Amino acid sequence: EAGVTQSPTHLIKTRGQQATLRCSPISGHTSVYWYQQALGLGLQFLLWYDEGEERNRGNFPPRFSGRQFPNYSSELNVNALELEDSALYLCASSLASGNQPQHFGDGTRLSIL
Amino acid sequence: GENVEQHPSTLSVQEGDSAVIKCTYSDSASNYFPWYKQELGKRPQLIIDIRSNVGEKKDQRIAVTLNKTAKHFSLHITETQPEDSAVYFCAAKETAGNKLTFGGGTRVLVKP
Repeated sequence: EAGVTQSPTHLIKTRGQQATLRCSPISGHTSVYWYQQALGLGLQFLLWYDEGEERNRGNFPPRFSGRQFPNYSSELNVNALELEDSALYLCASSLASGNQPQHFGDGTRLSIL
Repeated sequence: GENVEQHPSTLSVQEGDSAVIKCTYSDSASNYFPWYKQELGKRPQLIIDIRSNVGEKKDQRIAVTLNKTAKHFSLHITETQPEDSAVYFCAAKETAGNKLTFGGGTRVLVKP
């Protein structure tokens, strides 16, 4: 069974640009989560999508947004990039509802120059 | 919102010894507590989890305990091996919102 896949692996942008990160969940999983892991820090919750809807949002500015498609894959968009946005962005997926384990992808390393 | 604190931040043990990592959480409504292992440059990997209706869970050399009254949970690794070297994260999930709040991580080094 394929795990959570993310693309691209690496992304280099400059300040003010926009970045799009993509995630495909494990087959059968309908919930997708996005987390930010800055260098040397823990994981910070960004967004949760389920059945195409945004269900919860972490303490991040509105320039962090995303969506979930009918096939349950998801995009994370970051507008007006700032230097401090440099981080590993991890996507996770789970079965819907209840205390279901979240399984992570390998992440996209976003570097802002 | 939920706050999770994790100690110690670094842990060095001799191969074969036990390692214990402790976490505390603030929201008594949290009901699911997973542990992840993250090797350098790799994805966080779920190694064990525990739900609030259970006090202890074991899987081979790994065990987790939960004290709901004190709002803390711990990871125990017995008979440590060099391949146990990694960063370990605890997390707590709120009842609503499906959000995992992570601890700051513990870097474990198992010395051969």
